[in-house]
Amino acid sequence: KAGVTQTPRYLIKTRGQQVTLSCSPISGHRSVSWYQQTPGQGLQFLFEYFSETQRNKGNFPGRFSGRQFSNSRSEMNVSTLELGDSALYLCASARDYSYEQYFGPGTRLTVT
Amino acid sequence: KNQVEQSPQSLIILEGKNCTLQCNYTVSPFSNLRWYKQDTGRGPVSLTIMTFSENTKSNGRYTATLDADTKQSSLHITASQLSDSASYICVVSDEYGNKLVFGAGTILRVKS
Repeated sequence: KAGVTQTPRYLIKTRGQQVTLSCSPISGHRSVSWYQQTPGQGLQFLFEYFSETQRNKGNFPGRFSGRQFSNSRSEMNVSTLELGDSALYLCASARDYSYEQYFGPGTRLTVT
Repeated sequence: KNQVEQSPQSLIILEGKNCTLQCNYTVSPFSNLRWYKQDTGRGPVSLTIMTFSENTKSNGRYTATLDADTKQSSLHITASQLSDSASYICVVSDEYGNKLVFGAGTILRVKS
């Protein structure tokens, strides 16, 4: 059974640009959650999608957005990038939110 | 405010020794408590998930305990191996399993 895949794995962007990250969940999983991980803040919850609907949202500014497609694949978008957005962005899939989550390898975003 | 605190922040032990990591939480009521292992540059991998009614759960050399009365959990690693070097993250979900609160993690280094 294939695991959670995230693309791209590494990304370098300039301040002010926007970026789109992609996540393909494990087959059959309908819940996809996104997290930001930085050395200083640890893992922080961005949002969770279930059956194409955003079900939960963390405390991040509106520059962070996401969506989920009918095949459960999800994308997150960050507009007007800031230096502080440099982080590892992790996606996790689950059958449902309360079930065990399986994390992808992450996308390392560097904003210069 | 719902919080999860882990101790120690970091730990160095010799290969073959045992160690115990601590997790204290204020999330109440809660649905389940999870321990994850995260290798450098990779996504977290689930070690154990415990509901409030469980007080111990094992996964190979990893044993997690939970005291819901004192809101404390511990992760005990037996006969440590070099591959145990990683960050260990404690995560508590709220009553409905909708919100996950992450601890900052304990960085474990096992040396030969």
